[in-house]
Amino acid sequence: GAVVSQHPSWVICKSGTSVKIECRSLDFQATTMFWYRQFPKQSLMLMATSNEGSKATYEQGVEKDKFLINHASLTLSTLTVTSAHPEDSSFYICSARVPGKNIQYFGAGTRLSVL
Amino acid sequence: GESVGLHLPTLSVQEGDNSIINCAYSNSASDYFIWYKQESGKGPQFIIDIRSNMDKRQGQRVTVLLNKTVKHLSLQIAATQPGDSAVYFCAENRVSASKIIFGSGTRLSIRP
Repeated sequence: GAVVSQHPSWVICKSGTSVKIECRSLDFQATTMFWYRQFPKQSLMLMATSNEGSKATYEQGVEKDKFLINHASLTLSTLTVTSAHPEDSSFYICSARVPGKNIQYFGAGTRLSVL
Repeated sequence: GESVGLHLPTLSVQEGDNSIINCAYSNSASDYFIWYKQESGKGPQFIIDIRSNMDKRQGQRVTVLLNKTVKHLSLQIAATQPGDSAVYFCAENRVSASKIIFGSGTRLSIRP
């Protein structure tokens, strides 16, 4: 079974609204999680590193005020796309790193469609 | 700049033949490399990894080769099956930076 659960798997929203995506580690406590974005026929681009109990670390070019990340517990990180626009439509994927190991497990992804 | 890239965007292979997917990288300080398989609409699935101090590692039907001299790695899939159809990414794990950087991907299609 999946060790990282992502919810929802698919969401459609109107332009200007906000959407929250959840990422949960099921079998272990993850102090570090990662959020990626993937456009069609492209690779995964790392957006930010989510650190439990502290601020997320954003990659260059990613707007931290638009993509809000909260890692309030050792098993849950959330990504909120604020004031979503059609260009934010994409496949968002999270991953969780196993503490002390170079192993990351990926969620099944969330397809966001902004109308 | 730093990058992990693939030579070919698509690869078509006869069922039963071996598949070889290539990847070039530019950061010689990388700690180790990972191959992922991504099926349509799903997240990446770990296949195999290799540390930078190794040149070959084998798994079940898969082999990863690392050539640090030319900064190249490859994924070999033996006896390719229809279920192997997917996009394959090589990724670079930089322990010092605590993050995985993905290459551009190769789509593997299987001919019956």
